Amino acid sequence: GAVVSQHPSWVICKSGTSVKIECRSLDFQATTMFWYRQFPKQSLMLMATSNEGSKATYEQGVEKDKFLINHASLTLSTLTVTSAHPEDSSFYICSARDLSFEQYFGPGTRLTVT
Amino acid sequence: GENVEQHPSTLSVQEGDSAVIKCTYSDSASNYFPWYKQELGKGPQLIIDIRSNVGEKKDQRIAVTLNKTAKHFSLHITETQPEDSAVYFCAAHKMDSSYKLIFGSGTRLLVRP
Repeated sequence: GAVVSQHPSWVICKSGTSVKIECRSLDFQATTMFWYRQFPKQSLMLMATSNEGSKATYEQGVEKDKFLINHASLTLSTLTVTSAHPEDSSFYICSARDLSFEQYFGPGTRLTVT
Repeated sequence: GENVEQHPSTLSVQEGDSAVIKCTYSDSASNYFPWYKQELGKGPQLIIDIRSNVGEKKDQRIAVTLNKTAKHFSLHITETQPEDSAVYFCAAHKMDSSYKLIFGSGTRLLVRP
């Protein structure tokens, strides 16, 4: 089946620094990828929709200048958390959509900002 | 936009019993309803899905039913096992380029051995 990977699986960074998370579709091309954030014991909240070759679409309340998304190829999207703060600590999950509109999820990245 | 409600938030069953999780959706245009299982520290995994042109789908111990008129769908797990313990999410969306997958709030299932 379709596989989506994320890197890194976990990261610890200091407050004020930036962190980049990669999302790759390993065996299919994804024109659209999605980024979710999940706080403990909560559901997945969509942050943004990433379309290959164009600007990402952000959900209401998500700061686009803080969460930079780049989707430079059909198999790679990146999320950069800029000037991270402790409240940005969360589980970030990406998903990739194939041509039949089915979505496949990555394993997630746990970000801890100290 | 779409809104998905999920109940119950927690569910504890004895091993071997059945578990039922229910979801309702608001957008009548939604036509795809997947269910995901999420284990601690991992991403969600698709366990079963149903499209709006069918009312029921089974895969071994797991089944999903859909009532389009009432806009609700349910997950049924029979003969539960301890390894079924996890958080389950329902979701809904329309299978075209404009829609986004909207998740329910999740159900934490505990299967007691």
